[in-house]
Amino acid sequence: DGGITQSPKYLFRKEGQNVTLSCEQNLNHDAMYWYRQDPGQGLRLIYYSQIVNDFQKGDIAEGYSVSREKKESFPLTVTSAQKNPTAFYLCASSRTDGVYEQYFGPGTRLTVT
Amino acid sequence: DAKTTQPPSMDCAEGRAANLPCNHSTISGNEYVYWYRQIHSQGPQYIIHGLKNNETNEMASLIITEDRKSSTLILPHATLRDTAVYYCIVRVASNTGKLIFGQGTTLQVKP
Repeated sequence: DGGITQSPKYLFRKEGQNVTLSCEQNLNHDAMYWYRQDPGQGLRLIYYSQIVNDFQKGDIAEGYSVSREKKESFPLTVTSAQKNPTAFYLCASSRTDGVYEQYFGPGTRLTVT
Repeated sequence: DAKTTQPPSMDCAEGRAANLPCNHSTISGNEYVYWYRQIHSQGPQYIIHGLKNNETNEMASLIITEDRKSSTLILPHATLRDTAVYYCIVRVASNTGKLIFGQGTTLQVKP
């Protein structure tokens, strides 16, 4: 089946530790995105990438880092510099030609204590 | 990208049509209207999009007013599984692909 996978579904970390969230897609999409969602809120864009080896900051990039070494993969690292890392993290992908919709993964719920 | 306004919540009886409104009075001529929904604790799901003509697919219909300042998403026969937060998003089909999610409308379908 084609789609986006995120792992793990739930992740627990101690404060001060970096943690990397996985996102893989087999839709052959050029663009990939990371969003953060806090309880009762809409999604906010962290980083996005339109092509391999290139990515841009979104609205709330501070304390996060990404890489895009392969078309299929766009991992997100939540660093210890992120002040409030506990949140629901969503990865998405899309084409980059024409009017395109974004397809989302199931999300990773990160809890930092 | 234009800002959208949606009611925070709506109820709908199972089997009836659910009509979800969205105001986007500052929409530009090259901006599309997209609808997504998010079932609790899942990733958002694309529903439909349109520019100025009404659109229909297997999930829903999208009605856009002639002046394009508002639109309505119609779920023709709502089921309990349609209970979700529905997001109306307006944006240019540019290369960035950035989606700006507001608060959305929480639709509760009741038996």
